[in-house]
Amino acid sequence: GAVVSQHPSWVICKSGTSVKIECRSLDFQATTMFWYRQFPKQSLMLMATSNEGSKATYEQGVEKDKFLINHASLTLSTLTVTSAHPEDSSFYICSASRPVGGPLEQYFGPGTRLTVT
Amino acid sequence: AQTVTQSQPEMSVQEAETVTLSCTYDTSESNYYLFWYKQPPSRQMILVIRQEAYKQQNATENRFSVNFQKAAKSFSLKISDSQLGDTAMYFCAFGDSGAGSYQLTFGKGTKLSVIP
Repeated sequence: GAVVSQHPSWVICKSGTSVKIECRSLDFQATTMFWYRQFPKQSLMLMATSNEGSKATYEQGVEKDKFLINHASLTLSTLTVTSAHPEDSSFYICSASRPVGGPLEQYFGPGTRLTVT
Repeated sequence: AQTVTQSQPEMSVQEAETVTLSCTYDTSESNYYLFWYKQPPSRQMILVIRQEAYKQQNATENRFSVNFQKAAKSFSLKISDSQLGDTAMYFCAFGDSGAGSYQLTFGKGTKLSVIP
């Protein structure tokens, strides 16, 4: 149990376009989902925390208007990179945690590699 | 804010040998969780082991065990009988259950190479 999927696993887009990444918890309801960005050979950097039905909480330095997060249901969160630029190229990872009272650990998706040309 | 420090950027170990990865953290919280995650070349993050701060007994999962020293704020991971599949980045993470958001703070990672 506790499987998280991400789609797409790899995407190339042109500069100035937008791209949407989906994160789904397949076999559990995730009250909270997290979005991370990981640069090569570096650790995970938390971008935002999203709770179902409410606005996402963004970390300092993360542009809310550029990285739009929607947590529409207990099993789906999306990250939309708007007006993408080459510097947005990175590896994006989502994770999900179980409802309150369950284990605290986060379950991670396989990640999405975004390349902006 | 919590900080997590992994002082060993890279380590290597011979297959079948034992290796210990270090992690220290800083927090003023009394109730929290600690984790070790593994990220193999596929880049899928995999939970290796979890420790609740209120538990004195060190967590173990098969070949993986931790040495949790709460007073020293130390949380090291021991891998016994190392296997080639253990080659990966290992991240130590701190989770503050009291914050309500269940965010994790990650260390910078240790790259472990298992040598045949």
